[in-house]
Amino acid sequence: DGGITQSPKYLFRKEGQNVTLSCEQNLNHDAMYWYRQDPGQGLRLIYYSQIVNDFQKGDIAEGYSVSREKKESFPLTVTSAQKNPTAFYLCASSKGGSYGYTFGSGTRLTIV
Amino acid sequence: SQQGEEDPQALSIQEGENATMNCSYKTSINNLQWYRQNSGRGLVHLILIRSNEREKHSGRLRVTLDTSKKSSSLLITASRAADTASYFCATDPPGKSTFGDGTTLTVKP
Repeated sequence: DGGITQSPKYLFRKEGQNVTLSCEQNLNHDAMYWYRQDPGQGLRLIYYSQIVNDFQKGDIAEGYSVSREKKESFPLTVTSAQKNPTAFYLCASSKGGSYGYTFGSGTRLTIV
Repeated sequence: SQQGEEDPQALSIQEGENATMNCSYKTSINNLQWYRQNSGRGLVHLILIRSNEREKHSGRLRVTLDTSKKSSSLLITASRAADTASYFCATDPPGKSTFGDGTTLTVKP
């Protein structure tokens, strides 16, 4: 079955450490996205990529970095520069254009 | 970026009743999508309506779009306890739109 896989489901890190969240899709979608969701709130766009080796900042890119070396993979690194990284992170992919998103099941990151 | 704003913030109904939630947006669109999110999970795509469509049905879901008012509504008929979730709208293009805070629907058995 085609889908989008995020791992791990839960992640705990100490303050000041960088951490990388994994996102893999086998839907052959060109576009991939990272969103952050805080409790009771909507999704805010961190980064997106419409094609391999290219990506753009979203609304809240500061303190985050991404890479898109393969079509299937779009990892997100939460750096120590992100002041409040504890949140629920959602990865999504899209055929692009007018097809909407397919979401992963999310990674809950907690900084201890 | 364009933001969809859902209204009301919260909605509580009895099983079997209908639930209506609304979405407003700011600029012209090619399509609008509705998503459902169960607690602690990812979003699930429910339905997409294009700008040249006024109404679309999918099972117990009915979506309307009024481009002159820049608004859409999602109607869930004969609601079930399993419909309890948050509902979000999003506009195109992907990567250029953000999601509002959603409507949290609670369906009481």
